[in-house]
Amino acid sequence: QITLKESGPTLVKPTQTLTLTCTVSGFSLSARGVGVGWIRQPPGKALEWLGIIFWDDDDRYRPSLKNRLTITKENSKNQVVLTMTNMDPVDTATYYCAHRREDMASYFDYWGQGTLVTVSS
Amino acid sequence: DIVMTQSPDSLAVSLGERATINCKSSQSILYSSNKKNYLSWYQQKPGQPPKLLIYWASTRESGVPDRFSGSGSGTDFTLTISSLQAEDVAVYFCQQYYSTPYTFGQGTKLEIK
Repeated sequence: QITLKESGPTLVKPTQTLTLTCTVSGFSLSARGVGVGWIRQPPGKALEWLGIIFWDDDDRYRPSLKNRLTITKENSKNQVVLTMTNMDPVDTATYYCAHRREDMASYFDYWGQGTLVTVSS
Repeated sequence: DIVMTQSPDSLAVSLGERATINCKSSQSILYSSNKKNYLSWYQQKPGQPPKLLIYWASTRESGVPDRFSGSGSGTDFTLTISSLQAEDVAVYFCQQYYSTPYTFGQGTKLEIK
């Protein structure tokens, strides 16, 4: 059974760095074809894809966030970490991590419950 | 970026009636080499993460009721709920995974009339 769970701060101040951890179970982060993506959703708004890391440590990012965003993983800990620098109130959102099922096909079949991050002084 | 535009933004349908949600991509998301459309549909209920309903534009996810179906190709896609049930009240999103950045539609809110 595949599960993902996000953890991290619920409140960050403007200009601070956000670090969120996605702890996964039921699959291996190093298994060929596996990917874990990050998606966020501002309150009452649409979903926004942020980035993804693949089993071979390749990664892709939303271009508008590329300079602020880093996604890494630690296979032995079953964890994927999102780091976003220079946080702003517009970054207030629920942040989700999600599992990609197929190689070369990044639709997401399992999602974490999400964690609401508020950016405010 | 590929822009995904859903219509309508909201929809009210009577129980037992058909609900149709449209999704249009700003460029084709049909990959010529494998003839697959790189489109998925999700259902999101309040306070919950999105749930995968459909992938490859028309493949129903395991466990999803067969009243949900996806169709379309190229740039125009449709999610159809053949007979609306009360538990289908939710927001529905389409997503293209043809190229990064992967993008979602703005969502369609489905309610009971």
